[in-house]
Amino acid sequence: GAGVSQTPSNKVTEKGKYVELRCDPISGHTALYWYRQSLGQGPEFLIYFQGTGAADDSGLPNDRFFAVRPEGSVSTLKIQRTERGDSAVYLCASSLIPRGAGELFFGEGSRLTVL
Amino acid sequence: AQTVTQSQPEMSVQEAETVTLSCTYDTSESDYYLFWYKQPPSRQMILVIRQEAYKQQNATENRFSVNFQKAAKSFSLKISDSQLGDAAMYFCAYKTNSGYALNFGKGTSLLVTP
Repeated sequence: GAGVSQTPSNKVTEKGKYVELRCDPISGHTALYWYRQSLGQGPEFLIYFQGTGAADDSGLPNDRFFAVRPEGSVSTLKIQRTERGDSAVYLCASSLIPRGAGELFFGEGSRLTVL
Repeated sequence: AQTVTQSQPEMSVQEAETVTLSCTYDTSESDYYLFWYKQPPSRQMILVIRQEAYKQQNATENRFSVNFQKAAKSFSLKISDSQLGDAAMYFCAYKTNSGYALNFGKGTSLLVTP
């Protein structure tokens, strides 16, 4: 596609449930990032993929969060045993040049609400 | 750790006027990159302008320009001839030369009035 696509756009779930958020990056972009944006805050880095491997997952808040990118394109962010504090917009971005001034192209995010 | 501070939670400007959004950052690095991103209600972050720290000349992109003061660690965004479509959240962001993760400020909400 022309841009970064994220699904679902909105997700409402109950505390304790499992959630998957999907990101389809721009074709040819080897770098993929997940960010979390809580209400009234700027995006916070979660994880960075270069190709199929997670080059840096230091931003994942705990072991309930996990992300995969098995074929080096689409990525899935997985959240187990969701908590109310997980409610946020989850943004995905991709780029051709991960370092330096390389531009990140963002999707419209998935808004997760945990009741 | 690098931090980015945007001290203006909200700003307002009249259409066709000029507004400046402030950003300061803290770093011990000498080589890095600074960015301004715009986030409209659609939630999609869009790059407005970027600045390489090694360049002394301030970046400009049409109506958008920056005032980069490296010694003061200040990176403000000036929007000239403001338009209704400029209304959005604006985020300042920092990235080291060797890094890949953007470090964002908390954002400034810009309101444009007719």
